[in-house]
Amino acid sequence: EPEVTQTPSHQVTQMGQEVILRCVPISNHLYFYWYRQILGQKVEFLVSFYNNEISEKSEIFDDQFSVERPDGSNFTLKIRSTKLEDSAMYFCASTRGLGFGYTFGSGTRLTVV
Amino acid sequence: AQSVTQLGSHVSVSEGALVLLRCNYSSSVPPYLFWYVQYPNQGLQLLLKYTTGATLVKGINGFEAEFKKSETSFHLTKPSAHMSDAAEYFCAVSKATGSQGNLIFGKGTKLSVKP
Repeated sequence: EPEVTQTPSHQVTQMGQEVILRCVPISNHLYFYWYRQILGQKVEFLVSFYNNEISEKSEIFDDQFSVERPDGSNFTLKIRSTKLEDSAMYFCASTRGLGFGYTFGSGTRLTVV
Repeated sequence: AQSVTQLGSHVSVSEGALVLLRCNYSSSVPPYLFWYVQYPNQGLQLLLKYTTGATLVKGINGFEAEFKKSETSFHLTKPSAHMSDAAEYFCAVSKATGSQGNLIFGKGTKLSVKP
């Protein structure tokens, strides 16, 4: 069964550093998403991406965050200057259309120290 | 705005007993509804979804859920719990129209299964 692949599985970074989280969505999917889950809390929407541009973003997704689809397969989330409160599990998801199931990756656990 | 409420952050059942996890939603437009399961240190796996058509939907691992518009509910059930069902379960809603389909999640319900 096709999978959404996320790398790395765990990243530790110092406060103020830039991080890039990588995702390879399922190849025939058209919509891409990033979500995050702070430990013990619910999964929160960050951003959606369609047709090579951001289609929707949440209040969490401020100027420190950016997304890119640099080639036909990768979908990245960049955090420009990490803060302690950015520590969370970040999930990438993709779907081929509204109403279809969203396939989530296994997540990247980001720890900011 | 859409929202999801999951009643009970923790539910404990005995093996073989009925599992009932409650989810209520609010949405100003017709919703799509989902249940996801998360095993420890893993990602989110789709259990089942409601988009249109039959209001009783069957998913993987013997789970099913019924969309009740009048009650704005989408409760998840399984007739007989198995030890392997122990996990955290998330209900989610998205708009059926007019958006790029981002999911709004409930806070999750952790299911424990006692032998």
